[in-house]
Amino acid sequence: EPEVTQTPSHQVTQMGQEVILRCVPISNHLYFYWYRQILGQKVEFLVSFYNNEISEKSEIFDDQFSVERPDGSNFTLKIRSTKLEDSAMYFCASSVAYEQYFGPGTRLTVT
Amino acid sequence: KNEVEQSPQNLTAQEGEFITINCSYSVGISALHWLQQHPGGGIVSLFMLSSGKKKHGRLIATINIQEKHSSLHITASHPRDSAVYICAAPGPGGGADGLTFGKGTHLIIQP
Repeated sequence: EPEVTQTPSHQVTQMGQEVILRCVPISNHLYFYWYRQILGQKVEFLVSFYNNEISEKSEIFDDQFSVERPDGSNFTLKIRSTKLEDSAMYFCASSVAYEQYFGPGTRLTVT
Repeated sequence: KNEVEQSPQNLTAQEGEFITINCSYSVGISALHWLQQHPGGGIVSLFMLSSGKKKHGRLIATINIQEKHSSLHITASHPRDSAVYICAAPGPGGGADGLTFGKGTHLIIQP
């Protein structure tokens, strides 16, 4: 069964560094999303992406964040100049229409 | 933006009990998601429903669109059902909109 994959599973970085989180959505899906979950809190929407552009973004998704679909398969989230409070689990999801399929997540730890 | 409320936040029950988790949302939606999150953090989609009722094994989800309310039921609960159950609702934009998540119900089934 097709699934969304994410790499790496765990990323440790120092404050101020840039990180790129990678996702491979399901191949025929059209909508792509990033969410994050800070430890002990609920999952929060960051951004959705459709037709090679951002469809919607939350207040969290400021200039520190960017997304890209550099080729036909990958979908990336870049976080510039990481802060301690960026430490969280980041989930990628994809969908054809409404039902979203989630990847296993990347745990980002900023030290 | 949709507001999603779940109850109860925590639920401990004995093996075999019938479990009900409730979800209410503020804005009319196309479809509601029920998700499961295990320790370790991965998110699995259980149901997406837009009307009526869906059943998968011992899990049943119902939705009342007029009342903006959904329930997730687990029949003959088992310790392996222990997890966090989350409902999530899209915004009015349908597939392009990210999901708004509830805080989750932390379910523990004791043998």
